Amino acid sequence: AQSVTQLDSQVPVFEEAPVELRCNYSSSVSVYLFWYVQYPNQGLQLLLKYLSGSTLVKGINGFEAEFNKSQTSFHLRKPSVHISDTAEYFCAVYTNAGKSTFGDGTTLTVKP
Amino acid sequence: NAGVTQTPKFRILKIGQSMTLQCAQDMNHNYMYWYRQDPGMGLKLIYYSVGAGITDKGEVPNGYNVSRSTTEDFPLRLELAAPSQTSVYFCASSYSRSEKLFFGSGTQLSVL
Repeated sequence: AQSVTQLDSQVPVFEEAPVELRCNYSSSVSVYLFWYVQYPNQGLQLLLKYLSGSTLVKGINGFEAEFNKSQTSFHLRKPSVHISDTAEYFCAVYTNAGKSTFGDGTTLTVKP
Repeated sequence: NAGVTQTPKFRILKIGQSMTLQCAQDMNHNYMYWYRQDPGMGLKLIYYSVGAGITDKGEVPNGYNVSRSTTEDFPLRLELAAPSQTSVYFCASSYSRSEKLFFGSGTQLSVL
């Protein structure tokens, strides 16, 4: 079984400030790691994913995430946020068996 | 491209009624998933399918049934609707386990 914990349910930040959304996971098998974004009243969109290789992964809209195997973490970062980044962000893990587990989400609110 | 199409977008059911949420994808994806998203919570996997004729339970399958007679379609059936099934339902598909999910726009279901 696997689990995902997003450590912050709400992250308020001012425009142009840096942000980090934290995600820890646990699993007894190898997993793939994903970050998704959900804008209001929309479905999920993929931000980035880690499958293997370089532990620093770059995604869309200037986001990046770093896989840390020893700490079982996959934190999402952006050096300078915009108002349009206000959304719900979900961390997810997948196993080779095709099962998926999502975190409860982090609400990022960017203030002017 | 249509991608993943879910119908209906909204539905109100009375306790004990039954209904089917439709999901179709035109990307020839093998993997299809049904999730529910409760307010302030992450996605919970209800059922998934790795190909036509193959389905398996996710985290919260009770009260639901699925079928996968074709690659394109993956309907979700609620037999005896209960208030606890009030949620937003998302269908998703992917080409393989490690590829990104494509999500439908969601179905908002209320059971009163």
